[in-house]
Amino acid sequence: DVKVTQSSRYLVKRTGEKVFLECVQDMDHENMFWYRQDPGLGLRLIYFSYDVKMKEKGDIPEGYSVSREKKERFSLILESASTNQTSMYLCASSTTLVGIGRDTQYFGPGTRLTVL
Amino acid sequence: SQQGEEDPQALSIQEGENATMNCSYKTSINNLQWYRQNSGRGLVHLILIRSNEREKHSGRLRVTLDTSKKSSSLLITASRAADTASYFCATDAYNTDKLIFGTGTRLQVFP
Repeated sequence: DVKVTQSSRYLVKRTGEKVFLECVQDMDHENMFWYRQDPGLGLRLIYFSYDVKMKEKGDIPEGYSVSREKKERFSLILESASTNQTSMYLCASSTTLVGIGRDTQYFGPGTRLTVL
Repeated sequence: SQQGEEDPQALSIQEGENATMNCSYKTSINNLQWYRQNSGRGLVHLILIRSNEREKHSGRLRVTLDTSKKSSSLLITASRAADTASYFCATDAYNTDKLIFGTGTRLQVFP
């Protein structure tokens, strides 16, 4: 089974702090994604990566950056956390290989971040 | 940008009843997927239907796709209290590996 893990389930940070959210997948997937989820807004894509050291902006990249130094790990960075970044953050991965499982995204359990 | 819109936003039923959720989308797709999310957890993939398919079954789940109307429905038959969750449709952004999620339907199944 695909396993996607996220470094923390709950995180509380102060405004202005630098925040790192880590995501690791064990299925050798090429693609990795970071979403935030807010009530009434669904899932919004922040950044995604289709290969090591490659990244693409999603719909709401402002205030975030990402890092993908290894294929299995995709980090989301809040350079200077703000209260409007309080949210649930979800990481996902998928494969580009044609066949069963293509197009399906596998999600981690989520990190609920509170910025005070 | 939101591609899928689910309807209804919330649904409450008794155990044993069927639950139907609908999804509408805006642009051409290769496939449409349904995901489930238990409260405070990540999403779990339920079923994928390709644009050349009209109906697909998986256990108690039945998904239909009408590309002419740009809509899909998810039917859960003989619902159980354990089906209580939020359900999201997701469409692929054509020729990319991205998915675009709707805002979800919250399903509550009472024992």
